[in-house]
Amino acid sequence: SYVLTQPPSVSVAPGQTAIITCGGDNIESRGVHWYQQKPGQAPVVVVYDDVARPSGIPERFFGSNSGNTATLTIRRVEAGDEAEYFCQVWDKNTDHYVFGTGTKVTVL
Amino acid sequence: EVQLVQSRAEVKRPGESLRISCETSGFTFTSYWIAWVRQMPGKGLEWMGIFYPGDSDTRYSPSFQGQVTISVDKSLNTAHLQWSSLKASDSAIYYCARRAGTGWEPEAYFDFWGQGTLVTVSS
Repeated sequence: SYVLTQPPSVSVAPGQTAIITCGGDNIESRGVHWYQQKPGQAPVVVVYDDVARPSGIPERFFGSNSGNTATLTIRRVEAGDEAEYFCQVWDKNTDHYVFGTGTKVTVL
Repeated sequence: EVQLVQSRAEVKRPGESLRISCETSGFTFTSYWIAWVRQMPGKGLEWMGIFYPGDSDTRYSPSFQGQVTISVDKSLNTAHLQWSSLKASDSAIYYCARRAGTGWEPEAYFDFWGQGTLVTVSS
């Protein structure tokens, strides 16, 4: 089955840039979506189709996808960005949906 | 306004059956795929399966095939997730989520989520 690997945690100071990676075999051939989940809340999509942002999501959230790694970059990090972030793809080989292992972003 | 409102938290004993619900509104229920996602305590998101009310097409993750049943009541615009015999390891939060895009767009993301239903299975 297809596996998406994320670092367990990322720490960043306010105003700095957080970089969250999502590794998968030839992931650049797949559309990657990113979800933010705050404690006690349901996930919310922050980036879809590699680079698109839903309405209401700040431009500070930026996605990219190349080779075997997709990346979610959060610029000018704020305290409110502290959450767990999950990447997700659809695996065309199995017709299954796959979530990454999740990355907890801590704002120092 | 699109809404997915899930049923309340449940406390059950091992071996009991359970059905939880996801009542939808604000969109044409039969035009969108509805997925179920599990989140065990302190863990990540796991895709369980997905259902298309338009034609009852259902896909299950191998990890959940045979363990749960996904169904819908089209007259109530409601999706269900059902267990016939719960285990302690079924204790988790379960989310329903709408997949964006109508028809067959498998790479689409999950654009709207329910608030989650906490299921606790304990003797």
